[in-house]
Amino acid sequence: KNQVEQSPQSLIILEGKNCTLQCNYTVSPFSNLRWYKQDTGRGPVSLTIMTFSENTKSNGRYTATLDADTKQSSLHITASQLSDSASYICVVTGWKDSNYQLIWGAGTKLIIKP
Amino acid sequence: NAGVTQTPKFRILKIGQSMTLQCTQDMNHNYMYWYRQDPGMGLKLIYYSVGAGITDKGEVPNGYNVSRSTTEDFPLRLELAAPSQTSVYFCASSPDQGAWGEAFFGQGTRLTVV
Repeated sequence: KNQVEQSPQSLIILEGKNCTLQCNYTVSPFSNLRWYKQDTGRGPVSLTIMTFSENTKSNGRYTATLDADTKQSSLHITASQLSDSASYICVVTGWKDSNYQLIWGAGTKLIIKP
Repeated sequence: NAGVTQTPKFRILKIGQSMTLQCTQDMNHNYMYWYRQDPGMGLKLIYYSVGAGITDKGEVPNGYNVSRSTTEDFPLRLELAAPSQTSVYFCASSPDQGAWGEAFFGQGTRLTVV
């Protein structure tokens, strides 16, 4: 069964610290993986997309990694800011019956404390 | 710079009532989607559309209906509301083939069925 699991479920860190969020998936065949940021009361907003051949991609203080062999991805946030408080969702695109299928993780809720 | 607009933002329905969640986008995107987000769960696809006049079921279509008469609008109809439909509903649009296209989300509609 195609699944996406994220850990931890929630995380609290102090402002200025770094953190890493994990995403493990069993989606096959794999097309791409995208990280979204969802602020409270808002819809998700895309941070980055990873394809099969990409290992690392940065977007400002956000760095995503992908290991397609172990089917794991991580999102590293450097020098956290209060505005980073949000849920971070991993979405994996696979294929089923000749149609693409997006499998959404449940998200990691990140709280940044001053 | 509106993007995807959903109305209403909040709604309380009584069991058995019906309502329509409105969604409109001004980005001329062909692909549009309706998702529901339950607490602690990943987004679940209800219905999607690849263009005006074309709609198809997602993972959890029971109890819902959609129509797409124009590129801009994609309303979601709930018939005979049930407590199990209490959720946050998100409408999204995408400019191209969904496997690679970034989805742009509305702010969501928080629906409670009592």
